[in-house]
Amino acid sequence: DTEVTQTPKHLVMGMTNKKSLKCEQHMGHRAMYWYKQKAKKPPELMFVYSYEKLSINESVPSRFSPECPNSSLLNLHLHALQPEDSALYLCASSSWASRGTGELFFGEGSRLTVL
Amino acid sequence: RKEVEQDPGPFNVPEGATVAFNCTYSNSASQSFFWYRQDCRKEPKLLMSVYSSGNEDGRFTAQLNRASQYISLLIRDSKLSDSATYLCVVNRDDKIIFGKGTRLHILP
Repeated sequence: DTEVTQTPKHLVMGMTNKKSLKCEQHMGHRAMYWYKQKAKKPPELMFVYSYEKLSINESVPSRFSPECPNSSLLNLHLHALQPEDSALYLCASSSWASRGTGELFFGEGSRLTVL
Repeated sequence: RKEVEQDPGPFNVPEGATVAFNCTYSNSASQSFFWYRQDCRKEPKLLMSVYSSGNEDGRFTAQLNRASQYISLLIRDSKLSDSATYLCVVNRDDKIIFGKGTRLHILP
């Protein structure tokens, strides 16, 4: 069982909806990540948080808004998404907080469908 | 040229055979290297870290060749449960970069 918990596992939303994806880890990791993965493609990095501060934003559209309320939680707020945003959204954490690198522990992902 | 390149496969290999994958990386500043495994519709999971001295974990052996900028993964005595996509992962600065993955099918 993964030590990174993501909710919800599945989400269907319309283009005008506002929803959030949540991620939680209790391993004491200080780097947390959001990745997006489309079918038969590798995970693509979206955001990195180190010590609760946003350290990398890979030019992600503003309709995706990350938030790190504390060292254990990471949220991804979704608003006005497009059908092409449908994908598996993976949260990960890492213990190499100073560089935000190293071994990643992934959650099981939230499978998002935008209608 | 992509920063991390892998042969996408699929590799169709009979059970019990040995199979090897390579992955090349283009940036010589890359610092650390990993193989991840991803089963269909599941999250990636770390399989092995890769060191210059090479490392072995049971049936799996990983090697790094910095001079030629590639890493390899060797699976001996392959099992049906080894069927998955194997992702080469390279760390450079604050970024963790995934290759596209190599699909492996072990045939009974």
